[in-house]
Amino acid sequence: ILNVEQSPQSLHVQEGDSTNFTCSFPSSNFYALHWYRWETAKSPEALFVMTLNGDEKKKGRISATLNTKEGYSYLYIKGSQPEDSATYLCAFKEIQGAQKLVFGQGTRLTINP
Amino acid sequence: ETGVTQTPRHLVMGMTNKKSLKCEQHLGHNAMYWYKQSAKKPLELMFVYSLEERVENNSVPSRFSPECPNSSHLFLHLHTLQPEDSALYLCASSHDPGQPLHFGNGTRLTVT
Repeated sequence: ILNVEQSPQSLHVQEGDSTNFTCSFPSSNFYALHWYRWETAKSPEALFVMTLNGDEKKKGRISATLNTKEGYSYLYIKGSQPEDSATYLCAFKEIQGAQKLVFGQGTRLTINP
Repeated sequence: ETGVTQTPRHLVMGMTNKKSLKCEQHLGHNAMYWYKQSAKKPLELMFVYSLEERVENNSVPSRFSPECPNSSHLFLHLHTLQPEDSALYLCASSHDPGQPLHFGNGTRLTVT
């Protein structure tokens, strides 16, 4: 059974502060790691798809890093804004797993004005 | 406009009812998925269709029956559900199974 863990489960951050959270996944048979943002009353939206060890991706104030050898990815948000409040999900795809993306439970981020 | 549309948004059904969830995508994607989100649990993959062929069935009870008549439409037929099946059901699509998923807004299902 594939296990994808995200920490922390929830996080409160003051507006303007930077923050980061973690996704842990199996370090063997790695194929890809996805990050999604899920705002309340909306559908999950893809942020990044990462495939190479050492990958770093950036989208505005959000960036992500990937370490496939040790099985973790960090998501960073710089200068948090209220609109960053959402649940951030990571999902792991293994090389033999065909079409299966295994999701973590998510980190619920709340930005306090 | 997400490109992936799900209907209905909310559904309440009794355990003896039969209902269907519908998903439609206008993104030209080849793969479509059903996911289940139960309270305090991660998104769980239920079914995957690639080019209208079911390629993944994640040990889902037979009271859930998917149908993919073409690459733009996906259904989930429900019958004799249990209260523990109450959850948010999300449909998604992608160009192929390795690409990022585009999700619909989901159907919030309550089984009474």
